[in-house]
Amino acid sequence: EVHLVESGGGLVQPGGSLRLSCAASGFPFTTYSMNWLRQAPGRGLEWLSFIDTTSSTIYYADSVKGRFTISRDNGKNSLYLQMSRLRAEDTAVYYCARDLGSTSTYFYDSWGQGTLVTVSS
Amino acid sequence: DIVMTQSPDSLALSLGERATINCKSSQSILYNSNNKNYLGWYQQKPGQPPKLLIYWASTRESGVPDRFSGSGSGTDFTLTISSLQAEDVAVYYCQQCFGTPTFGRGTKLELK
Repeated sequence: EVHLVESGGGLVQPGGSLRLSCAASGFPFTTYSMNWLRQAPGRGLEWLSFIDTTSSTIYYADSVKGRFTISRDNGKNSLYLQMSRLRAEDTAVYYCARDLGSTSTYFYDSWGQGTLVTVSS
Repeated sequence: DIVMTQSPDSLALSLGERATINCKSSQSILYNSNNKNYLGWYQQKPGQPPKLLIYWASTRESGVPDRFSGSGSGTDFTLTISSLQAEDVAVYYCQQCFGTPTFGRGTKLELK
């Protein structure tokens, strides 16, 4: 069974940094592209970033470009999101999600339970 | 970015009724070279992450009940639940991945 577990969320001051992690299990992590998405309280879904299997192709949403960095460690079956210069509007539940299929489709067939990031002074 | 507009915002139906949720994209999301519409549908229940129901506009994800179906092409799409069950109460989102992935604002489906 596919299992994705995010960690690293919490309360951070505006301008601060945080690193999220996503531990993957139950599938061959090295053969799937991965993504980060978020959902602000009571709001809809926003895709943030994509990374392919070898980290050679990476995309970011404009809202986080230059502030967030996605990475993965295939040896540890883990996905990361380094977030810096955080703003109040970054407050959200952050999800890691697996891309559907072993070739990138940009649909998300497995999601973690999410980790809450709160940016507030 | 491509804007996804869902309607209605909310829907209240009785058990066994047919549910229809619409999604319109601000530009065509049909890729002519492979004749695929880059449109997916997700279901989100309270306190849970979204669950992929439909991709390529009409392909049902493995394990999704066949009362869920997707249709449409180009800019206009529909998610249909043929006979509403209690466990279908949720918020439903459409998503396009023709360009930078974007989601609709969601349709809340409730029991009447």
